[in-house]
Amino acid sequence: ELKVEQNPLFLSMQEGKNYTIYCNYSTTSDRLYWYRQDPGKSLESLFVLLSNGAVKQEGRLMASLDTKARLSTLHITAAVHDLSATYFCAVQETSGSRLTFGEGTQLTVNP
Amino acid sequence: NAGVTQTPKFRILKIGQSMTLQCAQDMNHNYMYWYRQDPGMGLKLIYYSVGAGITDKGEVPNGYNVSRSTTEDFPLRLELAAPSQTSVYFCASSQGQGAKETQYFGPGTRLLVL
Repeated sequence: ELKVEQNPLFLSMQEGKNYTIYCNYSTTSDRLYWYRQDPGKSLESLFVLLSNGAVKQEGRLMASLDTKARLSTLHITAAVHDLSATYFCAVQETSGSRLTFGEGTQLTVNP
Repeated sequence: NAGVTQTPKFRILKIGQSMTLQCAQDMNHNYMYWYRQDPGMGLKLIYYSVGAGITDKGEVPNGYNVSRSTTEDFPLRLELAAPSQTSVYFCASSQGQGAKETQYFGPGTRLLVL
């Protein structure tokens, strides 16, 4: 059974600071997704990582994938309040289309 | 394109009642999914479908049923509602090939069972 763990689960940080969210998973996979969810809203796709060493950046967010370590990171650079949300990683099994989600990291960026 | 649409947005059920959560997508996606999200938790897969006429169980299928008679629609049926089914339900769809496997989510249905 594929297990996906994120840490930290809660993150409170000041504007302008940097931080990294980690996503570990338990079985072989080369497809990992990052989503953002605002309170009371649906999930918005941020990044799709499809190979070992993949790195994608959008604004202040950068995601990477290390399939050998079974680890993905979401790095936040110079955080701003608008980044406050819950971030989920989701891993797709090598065979099939099912996604397994992590518990989410609730990020609060304080002025 | 409307993307993925869900109805209703919110519903209160009494224990033992039945209801159908509707989901439709207009992106001609082959794959569709139903998830539930309990407060403060990640999403858990209930059922999914890889095409019309084909459905399969996810992680937490008990108490639910699905059907997929068309590419566009993927309704989720609760037969005998229980308080444990209080949750937010998300429907999603994806093309199903390579980079197009990104799942697009609907706005969700909030269900309260009392």
